[in-house]
Amino acid sequence: ETGVTQTPRHLVMGMTNKKSLKCEQHLGHNAMYWYKQSAKKPLELMFVYSLEERVENNSVPSRFSPECPNSSHLFLHLHTLQPEDSALYLCASSHPGKAYGYTFGSGTRLTVV
Amino acid sequence: GQQVMQIPQYQHVQEGEDFTTYCNSSTTLSNIQWYKQRPGGHPVFLIQLVKSGEVKKQKRLTFQFGEAKKNSSLHITATQTTDVGTYFCAGNSNSGYALNFGKGTSLLVTP
Repeated sequence: ETGVTQTPRHLVMGMTNKKSLKCEQHLGHNAMYWYKQSAKKPLELMFVYSLEERVENNSVPSRFSPECPNSSHLFLHLHTLQPEDSALYLCASSHPGKAYGYTFGSGTRLTVV
Repeated sequence: GQQVMQIPQYQHVQEGEDFTTYCNSSTTLSNIQWYKQRPGGHPVFLIQLVKSGEVKKQKRLTFQFGEAKKNSSLHITATQTTDVGTYFCAGNSNSGYALNFGKGTSLLVTP
């Protein structure tokens, strides 16, 4: 366990489905992030939340919708995805200003069929 | 926007050989971090460098931050099979909020 818990670990969904990814941390961190990791691509930053407020949105398609109800929980709502959205979705948290880096969850392996 | 580039993309060494990966940024960084991701795993934080010219060591791993704070390197002495994985550098500029990751260097160590 990393301290950042992501569920589910694996998800297969059709292009017309709606699903949500969940991330939870109880490390006392006040910033949370969604990253997408595809084969042969760098980790792509999707969304950043600081103190439950979205502070960065890297031109992510609207079929991805984040939600941060409190500083411990982060969701990524998915709808009408495309096969090219298949990837490992990683949640991370951090405490800005401290030299401890990001703590990543184990990720959700998403396959869109 | 800020870009972080890493070379080489892949490296295959015999156990006991040394390994180095290099990271370059298009802009000056406020700090640089290094992560390791084992096959099938998730990135795990290794270290953060903040000062110009800083050098830090963790056992067989040596991390260096360039004088201009635009490049960094990770050197592993006498690799072991447990060193297998992908090593990512990630930079943070003063204007950016979150880390920008390089593509990583995948290290394969054969006994």
